[in-house]
Amino acid sequence: GENVEQHPSTLSVQEGDSAVIKCTYSDSASNYFPWYKQELGKGPQLIIDIRSNVGEKKDQRIAVTLNKTAKHFSLHITETQPEDSAVYFCAAKLPRGTSYGKLTFGQGTILTVHP
Amino acid sequence: DGGITQSPKYLFRKEGQNVTLSCEQNLNHDAMYWYRQDPGQGLRLIYYSQIVNDFQKGDIAEGYSVSREKKESFPLTVTSAQKNPTAFYLCASKRQAESYEQYFGPGTRLTVT
Repeated sequence: GENVEQHPSTLSVQEGDSAVIKCTYSDSASNYFPWYKQELGKGPQLIIDIRSNVGEKKDQRIAVTLNKTAKHFSLHITETQPEDSAVYFCAAKLPRGTSYGKLTFGQGTILTVHP
Repeated sequence: DGGITQSPKYLFRKEGQNVTLSCEQNLNHDAMYWYRQDPGQGLRLIYYSQIVNDFQKGDIAEGYSVSREKKESFPLTVTSAQKNPTAFYLCASKRQAESYEQYFGPGTRLTVT
């Protein structure tokens, strides 16, 4: 099955700096890579996603890049703000026919943005 | 106001008791999922349902049971057979099984003592 590794497990930055979280996946057939933000005591919120036919996607201060050859994808947050502090999860999805389209999640990154 | 609701937010039970967690969605989504989250770990899939009256085991189904009698409801029962039931439980849904985007509810924290 698919395996997703996420690094770093914790990340501390100063307000205004950039933050980068990286994930690697094992199965080259994976075709969808979402990123979720989870605030304390709440459910994960989908913040950005990318499909395997695209190399980069941006949405205001956040962006995701995908390198299919190396089987890794990254979340980039620019001009970080204290409200960006949360746990971030990456995930990978295999095509439905191979694994009922389930998401395999990384272990999470605790991002802290200091004012 | 469409979304996924889970109740209660906090649940306490004694060891040996079965407990049912509620998940309701008014998004008209076909597919629904239950995940378990433990500290420092990613989300692990317990059960999923792609359509009413059908459900399948995920990666860690032992000690859990589900039903899908209505499209909008997917309750999870944590049985006494589950060895380590204390965790944060998350329900999610997708428009269709083939859809990409999956949305989560607010979660239920279950504590068993």
